[in-house]
Amino acid sequence: GEDVEQSLFLSVREGDSSVINCTYTDSSSTYLYWYKQEPGAGLQLLTYIFSNMDMKQDQRLTVLLNKKDKHLSLRIADTQTGDSAIYFCAGGGGYSSASKIIFGSGTRLSIRP
Amino acid sequence: IAGITQAPTSQILAAGRRMTLRCTQDMRHNAMYWYRQDLGLGLRLIHYSNTAGTTGKGEVPDGYSVSRANTDDFPLTLASAVPSQTSVYFCASSPDAGGNGYTFGSGTRLTVV
Repeated sequence: GEDVEQSLFLSVREGDSSVINCTYTDSSSTYLYWYKQEPGAGLQLLTYIFSNMDMKQDQRLTVLLNKKDKHLSLRIADTQTGDSAIYFCAGGGGYSSASKIIFGSGTRLSIRP
Repeated sequence: IAGITQAPTSQILAAGRRMTLRCTQDMRHNAMYWYRQDLGLGLRLIHYSNTAGTTGKGEVPDGYSVSRANTDDFPLTLASAVPSQTSVYFCASSPDAGGNGYTFGSGTRLTVV
């Protein structure tokens, strides 16, 4: 089955770029996701990338996928205090009913002034 | 507003008591899931349901049961609560196909004493 790993903590200065990294084991994952969890809230889908893509950009967010190394990253440009949250990498999905997604343990992003 | 409703938002429960966590969605999603979130362990799948009338076991099903009598509701029952079930529980749903990821509820914080 899928196993997803990511570092637990990241601290960046406000205005800098944040890069959150993730590795996964199941190369058959159709989609790879990034979720954001703010304090006391559930997870919100931030962005996702289809497994046949290398990069996806959405405003301040850039997702890079290296299928050979099974490595996924999320870059947040011009990091703001509102970006403080836990970011979860997840893999799975596909065109079958209930394609279960496996989540990493989450990376807590903190912003320093 | 379409989404997932979980109840209660928090609960303190005596060990040995029975408890049902409620989850209702209004998006007509076929698949539903229950996760528990524990510090450093990320999200772990407890049970899932591909479609109404079917359920399956996830990564940590022991001590929990679910039912899926209709599309909208997916209750999670703890038959006899133990302190190790202290956690934050998230319900999620997804359409049949991948790509859109999951929609999460806001969670139930359960403390078993």
